[in-house]
Amino acid sequence: QVQLQESGPGLVKPSGTLSLTCAVSGGSISSSNWWSWVRQPPGKGLEWIGEIYHSGSTNYNPSLKSRVTISVDKSKNQFSLKLSSVTAADTAVYYCARVVVQDLASWFDPWGQGTLVTVSS
Amino acid sequence: QSVLTQPPSASGTPGQRVTISCSGSSSNIGSNYVYWYQQLPGTAPKLLIYRNNQRPSGVPDRFSGSKSGSSASLAISGLRSEDEADYFCAAWDVSLSRVFGGGTKLTVL
Repeated sequence: QVQLQESGPGLVKPSGTLSLTCAVSGGSISSSNWWSWVRQPPGKGLEWIGEIYHSGSTNYNPSLKSRVTISVDKSKNQFSLKLSSVTAADTAVYYCARVVVQDLASWFDPWGQGTLVTVSS
Repeated sequence: QSVLTQPPSASGTPGQRVTISCSGSSSNIGSNYVYWYQQLPGTAPKLLIYRNNQRPSGVPDRFSGSKSGSSASLAISGLRSEDEADYFCAAWDVSLSRVFGGGTKLTVL
C-alpha cells in the first residue's frame, strides 16, 4: 500500500524558507491522485496548505498562497513544499498526504507520519 | 479560527454512545461532502469517514457519520478506551480551499 515519508530541516530561522520533501512509496506519484501538505501547530488543529497533481497543477490555501510553492519530481516519486518568509507562527508538525479523488469527492488517505518544523533563531 | 466549528471536547463512559458535531455553511458542508479523521495521541490523522457516511475498510461499524444541511455529526457507539483521540471534520469550500474543524478531544472516562 502507498506510504508517505516527510523529510527536511527541523529548524528554520525567522524570515527564512521552510523546505520539505515527501517521498511516496508503494505507488506512483503519477497516479490519478493529488498530493497535499497539511500542518498542525503544537496543540492546535489542522490547516491545509496546498496540493499538486503530477501534471504540475496546484491548489493553494488562499491565506498562504503568496508564500507557498509545491512542486513534484516524478523521476524521484516525490513532491516538495517551500514556505517563504517564515515566522514563529509557522512552527508546526507538517504532514504530507495523498488526496484520493472519486467523482466529486476527495479525501486525505494515507498520511505521512509528520515532521516537526520549528521556526527560531 | 477554524472555518468548521466543533466542540473542543466530548466525553463518555465505556459502552456509551457519543456524538461530535461539525457546523459549517452553504459554502462548504452545505454543498460538499464531509470527512472525518481520527488522530490518536502522538500519531498522524487517519481517515475515519468519507463521503458523509462511508467507512473505509478496517474502520469498525461503531463509527458512523451523517450530514444535514450545513452540519454534520460523527457518532461512536459502544465507546471503547482506544477511541480516546482527537477527531476532525473536513470539507471542500467554494473558496477553492480544503477546510477543517478545530478538532474535538474525546475522553473515555
